[in-house]
Amino acid sequence: DTEVTQTPKHLVMGMTNKKSLKCEQHMGHRAMYWYKQKAKKPPELMFVYSYEKLSINESVPSRFSPECPNSSLLNLHLHALQPEDSALYLCASSQGQGIVWTEAFFGQGTRLTVV
Amino acid sequence: GESVGLHLPTLSVQEGDNSIINCAYSNSASDYFIWYKQESGKGPQFIIDIRSNMDKRQGQRVTVLLNKTVKHLSLQIAATQPGDSAVYFCAEGDQAGTALIFGKGTTLSVSS
Repeated sequence: DTEVTQTPKHLVMGMTNKKSLKCEQHMGHRAMYWYKQKAKKPPELMFVYSYEKLSINESVPSRFSPECPNSSLLNLHLHALQPEDSALYLCASSQGQGIVWTEAFFGQGTRLTVV
Repeated sequence: GESVGLHLPTLSVQEGDNSIINCAYSNSASDYFIWYKQESGKGPQFIIDIRSNMDKRQGQRVTVLLNKTVKHLSLQIAATQPGDSAVYFCAEGDQAGTALIFGKGTTLSVSS
């Protein structure tokens, strides 16, 4: 199983709503990532979790709040978003990073629209 | 920070041709490089990777070439098919890094 599963696939939310994006992998990977991708742009790193601890926060606004409940799950909690936050949110996981890199596997993404 | 970039935003080829997609990187400390394919509405899909101790690696119909002297990476697709139409990204990692950093992407269009 080399699958990263993201739910929901699509999400429309108002600027006052609170919602969560979910990501799950069962490959035993200890590194998990959130990326944000705007149309026709490359994925941009938001957060990195390594062994369930937040290791990187790429200056992401506090209206995005990540959570790693266990080694298989990664959540992204959303609150008071702006229309410019509309994008494809991608979750990924990898076995290795840093000293010994291995490929990162990506989910299909959540298409978020903020109205 | 430093980033990986691609030379051409678009590439159009005929079915059956060989395609070459290029990428330049600037971080001389990068020691891992990877190519992803992203189809419309989907997440990036792993194609092939290469470490800095190699200059060439082959997969099924794909070859990655790494030239560390000029910091250049390329992806060659043999006998390109319409199903190869997608956006292709290169990404890099270094020993100090904790996440892959993506380049700008090339849109490959294959006509039959």
